Amino acid sequence: DVKVTQSSRYLVKRTGEKVFLECVQDMDHENMFWYRQDPGLGLRLIYFSYDVKMKEKGDIPEGYSVSREKKERFSLILESASTNQTSMYLCASKTRGNEASGNWGLVYEQYFGPGTRLTVT
Amino acid sequence: AQKVTQAQTEISVVEKEDVTLDCVYETRDTTYYLFWYKQPPSGELVFLIRRNSFDEQNEISGRYSWNFQKSTSSFNFTITASQVVDSAVYFCALSEALSGNTPLVFGKGTRLSVIA
Repeated sequence: DVKVTQSSRYLVKRTGEKVFLECVQDMDHENMFWYRQDPGLGLRLIYFSYDVKMKEKGDIPEGYSVSREKKERFSLILESASTNQTSMYLCASKTRGNEASGNWGLVYEQYFGPGTRLTVT
Repeated sequence: AQKVTQAQTEISVVEKEDVTLDCVYETRDTTYYLFWYKQPPSGELVFLIRRNSFDEQNEISGRYSWNFQKSTSSFNFTITASQVVDSAVYFCALSEALSGNTPLVFGKGTRLSVIA
């Protein structure tokens, strides 16, 4: 079973604090993603990473940064938390397949963690 | 650009009714993948199905069925004989097959409430 874990289910921080959200997956997946989920807006991609030390901006990267020093871990950083970053944050991972197994270029499903509900006051 | 539209924001049904959740997508690619996820009140998104654009066969899994129609760019999800445990937010998602790294693009979700 694929397991994606997130460091906290609930987090309360103050405006201006630096916040770290950690995500760990145990399936050796190359790709990892951070989304935020807000009522009426669905899931919006913040950043993703397709390899160690690699990162790509998603749709709403402003105010966030990421770090991927190890394959299994993908961290989301709020440099200076603001109230408009109060949200549910979801981490996901997926394999990209590989040429040797003949499934390069196929798109697989993403597996999600339980989410972190962050409140910034 | 890719886009997924789930026009139904919220649906309420009485237990044992059938319900269909609509999903319409936009993409310029001829090769793409479609997905459905379920998000129960606990919050974790659960993968339900993946379908690629070359496979237009409908799929049935127990009380769940999916109808993929390329002609109307739709990938609708039907729950037969709904149960209270089906209450959740359901997301449809799309990914163009540019590479295996491509992230999914999600619709805004449909909240289904099944009333006993």
